[in-house]
Amino acid sequence: QQPVQSPQAVILREGEDAVINCSSSKALYSVHWYRQKHGEAPVFLMILLKGGEQKGHDKISASFNEKKQQSSLYLTASQLSYSGTYFCGIFNNAGNMLTFGGGTRLMVKP
Amino acid sequence: GAVVSQHPSWVICKSGTSVKIECRSLDFQATTMFWYRQFPKQSLMLMATSNEGSKATYEQGVEKDKFLINHASLTLSTLTVTSAHPEDSSFYICSATGTSSTYEQYFGPGTRLTVT
Repeated sequence: QQPVQSPQAVILREGEDAVINCSSSKALYSVHWYRQKHGEAPVFLMILLKGGEQKGHDKISASFNEKKQQSSLYLTASQLSYSGTYFCGIFNNAGNMLTFGGGTRLMVKP
Repeated sequence: GAVVSQHPSWVICKSGTSVKIECRSLDFQATTMFWYRQFPKQSLMLMATSNEGSKATYEQGVEKDKFLINHASLTLSTLTVTSAHPEDSSFYICSATGTSSTYEQYFGPGTRLTVT
């Protein structure tokens, strides 16, 4: 079952922060985050494997709340290069199939 | 490391013809390869999962006779769209997983198919 992402779209000014949420109706075993630029394949951002885990790279970080069956992606002090569509992906029980959320379109303006 | 390539990058074909798309893992052995289809402004939808040397597992609603998948080796999987129609026009993306325990999927650059 496809995870639900919110918001569907967001427009930011450079330097502003954003949070993208990903929720599942089923138990989560791992959460993946990807960013896709128009016309390109998704690019892996990070994976969270354990409940309570938090990770970050540069000014993009994510958390994984296993009990709430959700994950959040945090973009702080956004840059123009952050523009794109962000997808979360969740694995099934067997860990062999990734189902993507509907995506969140992020546009960062100067 | 962990590079996946796709060929061709884009293809335009006439309705009724068949098109083959290749997906290669360049620097690792891909135990499992996945084929996704993405329509404009939509999410990636998994079409099928293939393991080397065995038949692909297709998602519900995906015609296995129309989308032929062959995973002949640990570094190559092919998707053939048979008797293509304009509604098959889409962005086709493959991904692969290796032996890493992090379940990370490595995506190819995608193939844009346009059927006229």
